[in-house]
Amino acid sequence: NAGVTQTPKFQVLKTGQSMTLQCAQDMNHNSMYWYRQDPGMGLRLIYYSASEGTTDKGEVPNGYNVSRLNKREFSLRLESAAPSQTSVYFCASSKRTDGANVLTFGAGSRLTVL
Amino acid sequence: KQEVTQIPAALSVPEGENLVLNCSFTDSAIYNLQWFRQDPGKGLTSLLLIQSSQREQTSGRLNASLDKSSGRSTLYIAASQPGDSATYLCAVRQGGSEKLVFGKGTKLTVNP
Repeated sequence: NAGVTQTPKFQVLKTGQSMTLQCAQDMNHNSMYWYRQDPGMGLRLIYYSASEGTTDKGEVPNGYNVSRLNKREFSLRLESAAPSQTSVYFCASSKRTDGANVLTFGAGSRLTVL
Repeated sequence: KQEVTQIPAALSVPEGENLVLNCSFTDSAIYNLQWFRQDPGKGLTSLLLIQSSQREQTSGRLNASLDKSSGRSTLYIAASQPGDSATYLCAVRQGGSEKLVFGKGTKLTVNP
């Protein structure tokens, strides 16, 4: 099925470990996003990529790096995980249609940092 | 800085009731507003998108309205069903920006 695919779905890390969350979309969308969702905080934008080869910081970029590998793939890397990065991470993509910007979300990746 | 607020945080209604979810935003210079649904442990599903030039959008039993000047949007759900139980989030996109700013959501429970 077409959509946004995130891996892994679950991950447990120890403080200081590194990992990469992978995201791929097969809808030929131009823009891709990484959000984190925390109880009581809502969704907050970490990084986004308006097109292949460009990335921009969102609201909470500290502690993260991203790579827009190609038009389909947008990865999020935690170089040295901290307990404060325990969260559910969502990747999303969008295309402009008649000026609209409807987002399609992945199913999420639940990360626990001990 | 744009802030999006959704009140109430939780709502419980009996099946068949019509209901309204509220969303307010502080900066009226928006490009569009989007309503999403999130089921427990799942991602977000887009329900309706309203452009800044539009007043409302409808899809089935859902109707979303936008009053940009007052910084408010409502999501009306007609004849609610237990399957409508989920968290509903609104998000606004600022003009000239790719980014969406989300509210914290309203958790809806429809009781059989």
